[in-house]
Amino acid sequence: DAKTTQPNSMESNEEEPVHLPCNHSTISGTDYIHWYRQLPSQGPEYVIHGLTSNVNNRMASLAIAEDRKSSTLILHRATLRDAAVYYCILRDVNDDMRFGAGTRLTVKP
Amino acid sequence: DAGVIQSPRHEVTEMGQEVTLRCKPISGHDYLFWYRQTMMRGLELLIYFNNNVPIDDSGMPEDRFSAKMPNASFSTLKIQPSEPRDSAVYFCASRLGQGWNSPLHFGNGTRLTVT
Repeated sequence: DAKTTQPNSMESNEEEPVHLPCNHSTISGTDYIHWYRQLPSQGPEYVIHGLTSNVNNRMASLAIAEDRKSSTLILHRATLRDAAVYYCILRDVNDDMRFGAGTRLTVKP
Repeated sequence: DAGVIQSPRHEVTEMGQEVTLRCKPISGHDYLFWYRQTMMRGLELLIYFNNNVPIDDSGMPEDRFSAKMPNASFSTLKIQPSEPRDSAVYFCASRLGQGWNSPLHFGNGTRLTVT
């Protein structure tokens, strides 16, 4: 199964952009890249997903490398409410949604 | 839309007792997932259903764990007998369809403590 690698933790200052990286060097051609985040004491929530092209929504942007072996979740202006664990997941044809350890984002005021 | 509803929010039980966790998916969603989260192992996929039928239960840790989905609006995860190492937060999630544009919607989890 394709797996992802993320840094354990990152820090950001409030109102600054945040770039959260994810490596997925063994990604297959049919795997979609999904991002979720988990706020304290809550279940994970969907953030964004993509296949090949960069994607934008109201929460974030997703930049996907041309070879698809890495991607970056971009929060354009971090707020204190963005402090969470961010998960990068590959959705494969077997329909598994398996989460890794994620990146714990700390936002400093 | 009430979202995915799990009950109870907290459960404290003694070792050896039977525990039943409940989940009501979002109406119309045809996929349902059970996850377990611990500090040591993170979020683990236990089992998932499609149209009430279990598709993959390879993540179920052992025979003490069982999951059912008797209808489209209700699922249970049962542990019998429970052990202290089962202490974790259990999440249920649902999804509409298999389309790549379908995100998972999670409940707020059940925190289980087995003493």
